[in-house]
Formats: sequence, C-alpha cells, structure tokens
Amino acid sequence: EIVLTQSPDTLSLSPGERATLSCRASQSVNSNYLAWYQQKPGQAPRLLIYGVSSRATGIPDRFSGSGSGTDFTLTISRLEPEDFAVYHCQQYGISPLTFGGGTKVEIK
Amino acid sequence: QVQLQESGPGLVQPSGTLSLTCAVSRGSISINNWWSWVRQPPGKGLEWIGEIYHTGSTNYNPSLRSRVTISLDSSKNHFSLNLGSVTAADTAVYYCARGGIYSSLVDWGQGTLVTVSS
Repeated sequence: EIVLTQSPDTLSLSPGERATLSCRASQSVNSNYLAWYQQKPGQAPRLLIYGVSSRATGIPDRFSGSGSGTDFTLTISRLEPEDFAVYHCQQYGISPLTFGGGTKVEIK
Repeated sequence: QVQLQESGPGLVQPSGTLSLTCAVSRGSISINNWWSWVRQPPGKGLEWIGEIYHTGSTNYNPSLRSRVTISLDSSKNHFSLNLGSVTAADTAVYYCARGGIYSSLVDWGQGTLVTVSS
C-alpha cells in the first residue's frame, strides 16, 4: 500500500500568514489521484483539493495544491480564522486508499 | 449535493459485530459512484475501510478484509457496513462517503461514534 507522510505534525501560524503543508508518498501516486481534506473538531472531513490541484466546489482560491509523483503541497496563501484545523492528504489511485497522518494548523 | 447519514448502535460488545447503515438522500445510490466507509479512532487519523460500487462490486482494506462486508440496497437507497469480531481497537467514529477508487471523497456523512466495550 502507499504510505503517505505529512509534515509538519503541527504548524503554528498567525492569521494572515502563509501556510505550506507537505505530503510525501512512499511510491508514485497513480495519475495524480491526490486529494486534501480539512477537518475541524467534531466534524467530518471536507474535500478541499482533488487531482492534486483542482479546488472542490465552494473552496476559496486562497487554497491551492501542487506537486507530482511522490511530493505534494497544500498552500493556504493567507490564513483566515476559519482555516485553523487539521488537514489530511489522501491518495485514491491504488487500493487500498490511504491517508496521511494529518497536519494541525493552530493559532500562534 | 448528495447527503449521507450514518445510523446504528453506538455500543458493541467485544467479539460481536458492528453494523452500520448509510442512508443516501438528494441523489440515487444507483448512479456511477463508489461508496466508501472510513473510520477515525479518537484522536487519531483516518482509515479507509472499503467501498462498494452501484453494481455491487467491492474493495476492502487488506488490514480488515477478513472481518468486513459492505453491501448495498438500491431499493432503500442505502449501503451498509458489517465488521465482525470487534475489539476495543475498533472503537472509532465511522463515516460513510461518496467516492472511492479513482474518485475523491466528495460528500461525507456526519459520522457516528461506535464504542466497543462490555
């Protein structure tokens, strides 16, 4: 199975700052089937990015995804108060589907 | 936007079977979609359990394959999860979602906490 490693575990930033989250795969992700999800406490995950760089419906353009092969990045250009949450990457090109361990973006 | 809602017992005895149902609304379960189950132990990350296609084809996580069955009832517009021989390690919030292989998980249920305890 493809193992996804996210870094850092926790990112401490202030509103208005730029956040850069990393997701590294143990092998190349098939056809760029890589997604990012946001999860707030007590809530289900919400799809942000699919296909490495396509924003899901209703997702603001301060969220962007990039990368290829085994290295992927989620960037939040300017953090809004509602962006402080946990972010998960996921590959869905090879079964079993797998998730990274998550990165928590917290208020500094 | 498709809506999903999990239902089932919140407490299961050790060695018993965990059974959950996901009701799909504002859309048909019979369209060309995979439907997945995902779980999240308290304070931990997400784990994909398995998926079912509208035709009834299934894929399971090898780590759970021997204990998992996912089924679909198109007449009731819902799909179900059965997980047997449960232990405390199966305590988690269980989510159903629309999507699976080659399709990101677009829509999610709110999740339901299942505790395995005597």
